[in-house]
Amino acid sequence: EPEVTQTPSHQVTQMGQEVILRCVPISNHLYFYWYRQILGQKVEFLVSFYNNEISEKSEIFDDQFSVERPDGSNFTLKIRSTKLEDSAMYFCASKSGQEHEQFFGPGTRLTVL
Amino acid sequence: RKEVEQDPGPFNVPEGATVAFNCTYSNSASQSFFWYRQDCRKEPKLLMSVYSSGNEDGRFTAQLNRASQYISLLIRDSKLSDSATYLCVVSPNAGNNRKLIWGLGTSLAVNP
Repeated sequence: EPEVTQTPSHQVTQMGQEVILRCVPISNHLYFYWYRQILGQKVEFLVSFYNNEISEKSEIFDDQFSVERPDGSNFTLKIRSTKLEDSAMYFCASKSGQEHEQFFGPGTRLTVL
Repeated sequence: RKEVEQDPGPFNVPEGATVAFNCTYSNSASQSFFWYRQDCRKEPKLLMSVYSSGNEDGRFTAQLNRASQYISLLIRDSKLSDSATYLCVVSPNAGNNRKLIWGLGTSLAVNP
């Protein structure tokens, strides 16, 4: 069964460093998303991506964040200068054109020290 | 008012019990409604979509009341494997590109 994969599973970084979180969505999917979940809090929408451009982004997704689909298979989230409050689980999701369901990857746990 | 609000929980129930989760949402223009399940430290997984007419999938029944902006999930004959956090999720968008707005979730523990 096709699945969304994410790497790394856990990333530890120093405050101020850049991180890139990687996702491989399901191959025939067209819509891609990043969400985050701070420990003990709700899942929060960050950004949606379709047709090689951002469709929508939340207030959380400020200038420190960017997304890319560099090669037609990977979908990356970059945080330019990490802050302590960026520590969270980051989930990538993808969706086909017709179905409602978004399929989630296993997440990357980001720890900023 | 929170965009999606759920019962605070946690719920502790014996095996075989019936348990109900409630959820309200603030955006009356919301288009799609879902229940997701999340196991500890795992990704959310879709349990079921919620339709206006109500829908059932085995032991699970979901209801939607648009007038009251209220969504419910009923689990009958609960199993140990139902232990998880249940997330009420709403999408405000029409069309295919739908961001999801999440409730905090209600934790369920089914005990032997």
